[in-house]
Amino acid sequence: QKEVEQDPGPLSVPEGAIVSLNCTYSNSAFQYFMWYRQYSRKGPELLMYTYSSGNKEDGRFTAQVDKSSKYISLFIRDSQPSDSATYLCAMGGGETSGSRLTFGEGTQLTVNP
Amino acid sequence: GAGVSQSPSNKVTEKGKDVELRCDPISGHTALYWYRQSLGQGLEFLIYFQGNSAPDKSGLPSDRFSAERTGGSVSTLTIQRTQQEDSAVYLCASSLGGAGDNEQFFGPGTRLTVL
Repeated sequence: QKEVEQDPGPLSVPEGAIVSLNCTYSNSAFQYFMWYRQYSRKGPELLMYTYSSGNKEDGRFTAQVDKSSKYISLFIRDSQPSDSATYLCAMGGGETSGSRLTFGEGTQLTVNP
Repeated sequence: GAGVSQSPSNKVTEKGKDVELRCDPISGHTALYWYRQSLGQGLEFLIYFQGNSAPDKSGLPSDRFSAERTGGSVSTLTIQRTQQEDSAVYLCASSLGGAGDNEQFFGPGTRLTVL
């Protein structure tokens, strides 16, 4: 079983839709959680960073962390065609991980105009 | 300011050859990471450098892989006797490296193809 599970999709939505992306994990030691966006043939770009449980909002993006359920989410409101990319969840911290990040497989998102 | 840079952007090599991949981290970042991204898989941790501490090499898949970081800045990842399964995108990331600082910033990657 992978430490971090993420549905690879692909996910296709119409422009303006609310997008929900999720990851589950098994390592209860993880302390910080990130979402990266990766366009084709580019490096991952940090979108959201959350430490421990709770919500964080930045513009059209909201990240949620529920450590009790080992579940994290990224919501994209009013999705745009420019949001079409692969979204990677990542997490780290704790004795077993240290500073390395453990990534999900990534969800491929297409927003159709 | 400049982000993380990597070179070459693409590398095609023949099975059995050695390759060197280079990473220039963001200026002032003391922590540097190498990851590998294979088709259909998430990023896989390879190695981590923090300042003058001994690197965390626990993610290196075999002894054909090695990395060094000179002067606390530029890093080189070397793969000896390349195999076809080494074909992947090799990504470098850096972070400030201070206590509690965990935001890693990635370069564009080097796409390695082993024929």
